[in-house]
Amino acid sequence: NAGVTQTPKFRVLKTGQSMTLLCAQDMNHEYMYWYRQDPGMGLRLIHYSVGEGTTAKGEVPDGYNVSRLKKQNFLLGLESAAPSQTSVYFCASSTSSGRAGTYEQYFGPGTRLTVT
Amino acid sequence: KQEVTQIPAALSVPEGENLVLNCSFTDSAIYNLQWFRQDPGKGLTSLLLIQSSQREQTSGRLNASLDKSSGRSTLYIAASQPGDSATYLCALFREDNFNKFYFGSGTKLNVKP
Repeated sequence: NAGVTQTPKFRVLKTGQSMTLLCAQDMNHEYMYWYRQDPGMGLRLIHYSVGEGTTAKGEVPDGYNVSRLKKQNFLLGLESAAPSQTSVYFCASSTSSGRAGTYEQYFGPGTRLTVT
Repeated sequence: KQEVTQIPAALSVPEGENLVLNCSFTDSAIYNLQWFRQDPGKGLTSLLLIQSSQREQTSGRLNASLDKSSGRSTLYIAASQPGDSATYLCALFREDNFNKFYFGSGTKLNVKP
């Protein structure tokens, strides 16, 4: 049971380049989330998904797109990277079963992205 | 709007001391509250989760309590060790929104040998 995994672990992009971050979970969780963590800003929600084929915007969605084609995977895309997107990106998933669910969140190890 | 505050932002204690980390929130309509640990350059590791109907949870040397009426949760660490040095974050779900997890900004703990 690997939990939540993220690839790649590190990436350096030039301004304007595109990339996709992959998040995978093997816990059969319905909910998945993408966050970014910046010094002094804490964790901010970018996008989230409440199930396969559904996605929604979080607090800071501009410049990012996501897809959830399979329940276990949640992809975060940057179409045209900007230096302001330099950050550490975390994926999380949570248990859910309606009101009885605990919604406990499990986090991946993070992807450190630098945009020059 | 739900706000989550953790004070102090940083704490330094000698090894062996018992300590309490604080997490305050402005709206008592929470569903659960989760404590995490984050080591430098690493992801978040879940320590304890307290459902809104619970008062406390324990795991080893850690004990987390929840008082919804006062808008406060505490994480108690007994007999602290240098290996406990990390940033501790609290986060909560509201009752009416399972799509957003509200995070505190964390308390950076340093346990000196």
